[in-house]
Amino acid sequence: DAGVIQSPRHEVTEMGQEVTLRCKPISGHDYLFWYRQTMMRGLELLIYFNNNVPIDDSGMPEDRFSAKMPNASFSTLKIQPSEPRDSAVYFCASSSQPAYGYTFGSGTRLTVV
Amino acid sequence: AQSVTQLGSHVSVSEGALVLLRCNYSSSVPPYLFWYVQYPNQGLQLLLKYTSAATLVKGINGFEAEFKKSETSFHLTKPSAHMSDAAEYFCAVSEPGGGADGLTFGKGTHLIIQP
Repeated sequence: DAGVIQSPRHEVTEMGQEVTLRCKPISGHDYLFWYRQTMMRGLELLIYFNNNVPIDDSGMPEDRFSAKMPNASFSTLKIQPSEPRDSAVYFCASSSQPAYGYTFGSGTRLTVV
Repeated sequence: AQSVTQLGSHVSVSEGALVLLRCNYSSSVPPYLFWYVQYPNQGLQLLLKYTSAATLVKGINGFEAEFKKSETSFHLTKPSAHMSDAAEYFCAVSEPGGGADGLTFGKGTHLIIQP
């Protein structure tokens, strides 16, 4: 089992550019979560999916953020246009039964300059 | 609704000393409880979890935690700290059957080990 795979590990982009973060969940996990981690705000849940359907996107900061899950093995988090305040580490996590815990990916460190 | 409070955003202990990281929760149903550890530049790893079996739970790297319903606590301990324990620790709670999907995380405690 390769675990939750995120790409890229690091991303540096200029303000105004589009950024796409990718996640491959563990096979068989029906739930997928996107989190953002910053020093100031800690770990924030952005959105989660169940069976590829977005269930709760109340944590998405604004319309510049969008997330999709076209199939059970792939999800994207897109920021367009990006801003310096979007700089953070973005984590993807998956689970078959969320009440029993999640498996996290290694994260994508995004820097917007 | 569920919530988690971690007392102390930073905890500093000497190498070889007892580690105690505090976590209190609130939950409308009997909860499941978790401790995750995050080493620098890495994702969160599950350290241990309580899912209504034994109240004293043993995890990886010599850590353990005890579920105390009367105190609504799930404190994390390790008898003797090692330099490699320096990391961020997150407590989390879930409500199986409570209608809420997933975990609620605390704000984290940064553990510093003094040589």
